[in-house]
Amino acid sequence: DAKTTQPNSMESNEEEPVHLPCNHSTISGTDYIHWYRQLPSQGPEYVIHGLTSNVNNRMASLAIAEDRKSSTLILHRATLRDAAVYYCILRGGWAGGTSYGKLTFGQGTILTVHP
Amino acid sequence: SAVISQKPSRDICQRGTSLTIQCQVDSQVTMMFWYRQQPGQSLTLIATANQGSEATYESGFVIDKFPISRPNLTFSTLTVSNMSPEDSSIYLCSVEGGSGASDTFGSGTRLTVV
Repeated sequence: DAKTTQPNSMESNEEEPVHLPCNHSTISGTDYIHWYRQLPSQGPEYVIHGLTSNVNNRMASLAIAEDRKSSTLILHRATLRDAAVYYCILRGGWAGGTSYGKLTFGQGTILTVHP
Repeated sequence: SAVISQKPSRDICQRGTSLTIQCQVDSQVTMMFWYRQQPGQSLTLIATANQGSEATYESGFVIDKFPISRPNLTFSTLTVSNMSPEDSSIYLCSVEGGSGASDTFGSGTRLTVV
C-alpha cells in the first residue's frame, strides 16, 4: 500500500481556518485520497475524498497538488468539535471484484482547537 | 450511509476467557472489516469478512485467535479467544460504503483483560 506522511500534531484557534497537510509521493494513478477523522472515544468518520480535482463538502475542502504527491485538508472555521485525529489514507479505485480494498491507517495528525 | 450497532460497548474479562463482539448493520453490505486499536495507537486491520466466504486475515492475525463469522449480509461477529492483557484494546467493525467513498465505523468495543 502506498504510504502517507502527516505531522504528528497541529493546533488551531476556534473560528480560524486549519490546513492539514499530507504527503503521498508514491501515490499511484488510480489511488483516491481519503480523509477520516476520529473524535475522542468514537470510531473514525469519513470526511472527504478526491482523485485529482479539489473537492468541497459540508465538512471540509480537499486541495490536491497538481502532481498528486501531496494534499491538504482544509477546515474553513475550526470549532471545538473539530478536535480529533485526522487520517489521510490512499485507497484504490474500483477495479471490479467485490471491494475497493482496505483502508490502511497511519498515525494521523492530532488536531487541538483552542477556544 | 449505513448505521452500525456494535455490542458490547465495553467489557472487562478474565485472562484465558473469550469474548464475542457483535456488529449489526441496518442495510445489506458486502464487505465488513474488523480493526484493533491498541491504547494510544492508530487502527490496525485484523481481517476482512465477505459474506459466504472465509474471512481474510492480515499479517500477524490468525483465525484461531480471532475467529470471525459472517452469516448474512447484515451481521458479523469477532471473537477474541484465550485472552491475555495484551489483548486489551478497542475493537471496531466497519462496512464499506456502496460507492467506495465512505466506510462507516461502529462505535467500538473497549476490552480490558485482567
